[in-house]
Amino acid sequence: DIQMTQSPSSLSASVGDRVTITCRASQSISNFLNWYQQKPGKAPKFLIYGTSTLQSGVPSRFSGSGSGTDFTLTISSLQPEDFATYYCQQSYSSPYTFGQGTKLDIK
Amino acid sequence: QLQLQESGPGLVKPSETLSLTCTVSGDSISFSNNYWGWIRQPPGKGLEWIATISYSGSTYYNPSLKSRVTISADTSQNHFSLKLSSVTAADTAIYYCARRKLLGGSPQYNWFDPWGHGTLVTVSS
Repeated sequence: DIQMTQSPSSLSASVGDRVTITCRASQSISNFLNWYQQKPGKAPKFLIYGTSTLQSGVPSRFSGSGSGTDFTLTISSLQPEDFATYYCQQSYSSPYTFGQGTKLDIK
Repeated sequence: QLQLQESGPGLVKPSETLSLTCTVSGDSISFSNNYWGWIRQPPGKGLEWIATISYSGSTYYNPSLKSRVTISADTSQNHFSLKLSSVTAADTAIYYCARRKLLGGSPQYNWFDPWGHGTLVTVSS
């Protein structure tokens, strides 16, 4: 199985900050990397596929980059609604594995 | 608008079989290129893909659970189901159903969207 490791596990930031979350795969997954956002008590919400392609309706302050084994999710200017837990997920090969999550909370 | 809704018992005894159903509205589960899956999340923990079934009935399982899992579909009811046998407390989790969307001719571009609201299943005597 491909292991996905996110860092940091938690992050405190303020509204307006630029934040970056990192996701590392245990082997190359090309650019087959997705991102999800999960708020407390809610199902995950799909944000990005193929490393950098935003799902329709996702604000442009979200961006993704990377290839191979190292990927990032960047939020350019945090908004109150962005405080949540973020998960990466590889779609390169089955079983489709997720990172352990990065909890983003208000400083 | 595509919507998914999980249903099933919220409490299962150890060693018994967990059975859940996901009812789909807004699209046909047998429509070409639709794939449907189950993902679970133990309380306070991360996400684990369990299984997927395709529009044609092909099934795919996480090897870590494969010996205990069965995914099936009922096209007449437009729903798909999960059975997990011999459950233990480690199977206590929120169980989500979701569509696995594939991008055209590039099947490795695939993602889970949308998701159901999730249903908490507790394994306890």
